[in-house]
Amino acid sequence: QKEVEQNSGPLSVPEGAIASLNCTYSDRGSQSFFWYRQYSGKSPELIMSIYSNGDKEDGRFTAQLNKASQYVSLLIRDSQPSDSATYLCAVNDEGDKIIFGKGTRLHILP
Amino acid sequence: GAVVSQHPSRVICKSGTSVKIECRSLDFQATTMFWYRQFPKQSLMLMATSNEGSKATYEQGVEKDKFLINHASLTLSTLTVTSAHPEDSSFYICSAVRDGNSPLHFGNGTRLTVT
Repeated sequence: QKEVEQNSGPLSVPEGAIASLNCTYSDRGSQSFFWYRQYSGKSPELIMSIYSNGDKEDGRFTAQLNKASQYVSLLIRDSQPSDSATYLCAVNDEGDKIIFGKGTRLHILP
Repeated sequence: GAVVSQHPSRVICKSGTSVKIECRSLDFQATTMFWYRQFPKQSLMLMATSNEGSKATYEQGVEKDKFLINHASLTLSTLTVTSAHPEDSSFYICSAVRDGNSPLHFGNGTRLTVT
């Protein structure tokens, strides 16, 4: 059973600090990795895609991938209350299916 | 780019009726579309995977005769909830993918309430 694991949280981070969200995956052949943000009552929206080892930065967001450790993370710098949401890690399984973790609830404390 | 449109956004229906939800990829051709269901405070649950011109693949426990999926073209998939009952009330979300390494792009979801 291919799995994507995330800590469910809630992760509480003070406003202005760095929020660090982590994800591990079981399928060593996975090549594509994604982070989604989902606000309560809304559908998920894509934040970042990452395909190779290392860091990828987009504004306040940085995705980090380590295929050897089967680990992908998302850093949010200068956290804002509007960043409070559930963050979903998603990994492709070498086919057409993308497997989602159950998500980490992030709460930014004003 | 990569916009997925889903309609309706909200529907209320009486028990025993059928509801059709439409999902369109507006600016790309989707090789595959996925249908998810999400109950309050729970994770996304994949219901089925749909490829244009072929029968949908349903996840274990999802009744294919109750949740009819039609994938008529590379830009349109529909989900019909047949003979809906109150326990079918949920948030239904479609998504579409351009190719195997691309991310999923989600529609805005349909909140179904069956009375």
